[in-house]
Amino acid sequence: KNQVEQSPQSLIILEGKNCTLQCNYTVSPFSNLRWYKQDTGRGPVSLTIMTFSENTKSNGRYTATLDADTKQSSLHITASQLSDSASYICVVSAGTNAGKSTFGDGTTLTVKP
Amino acid sequence: EAGVVQSPRYKIIEKKQPVAFWCNPISGHNTLYWYLQNLGQGPELLIRYENEEAVDDSQLPKDRFSAERLKGVDSTLKIQPAELGDSAVYLCASSSRDRVNEQFFGPGTRLTVL
Repeated sequence: KNQVEQSPQSLIILEGKNCTLQCNYTVSPFSNLRWYKQDTGRGPVSLTIMTFSENTKSNGRYTATLDADTKQSSLHITASQLSDSASYICVVSAGTNAGKSTFGDGTTLTVKP
Repeated sequence: EAGVVQSPRYKIIEKKQPVAFWCNPISGHNTLYWYLQNLGQGPELLIRYENEEAVDDSQLPKDRFSAERLKGVDSTLKIQPAELGDSAVYLCASSSRDRVNEQFFGPGTRLTVL
């Protein structure tokens, strides 16, 4: 069964600090891995998309890494801001069909002043 | 470019009542998805359309849920009758044919069944 597990479940950090969120998956055959940011009461918004051949992808202060051998990904947030407070969801797609996507339950990040 | 539009944003109904959600995807996006998201969990796919054809509805509880996308653009998701456990956020997403892995989500409809 395809699974995506994220850790930690929740995280509280001070504004300006860095943090790293983890995603482990057992999805096969692997197609791509996406990180989404979901603000409270909003739909998820794409941050990064990585295919098998990519091991890092940046989007501003967000940097995602992918280790296809260990089936692990991380999302690193640099110099956190209050607006980074949100849920971060890892999504892994199998084959060539985005409909066959497995979503993690997300990590809830709270950035405090 | 307008994003995915959903309405209503919030809906409160009593159990056993019917309810319908509407979604207008991004213009030109042929693939449309309906997801259910419970609090503290990731979205779960209910149904996926390619144009007007439902290509994956294996997770749709067909005894009470139905969906349609008659002209391959807008879509409606219906629940009849609603149960207490249906309280959740219903998300609509769309993607284009040439960037099928990049899904754009709407703001969702938060359903509360009393």
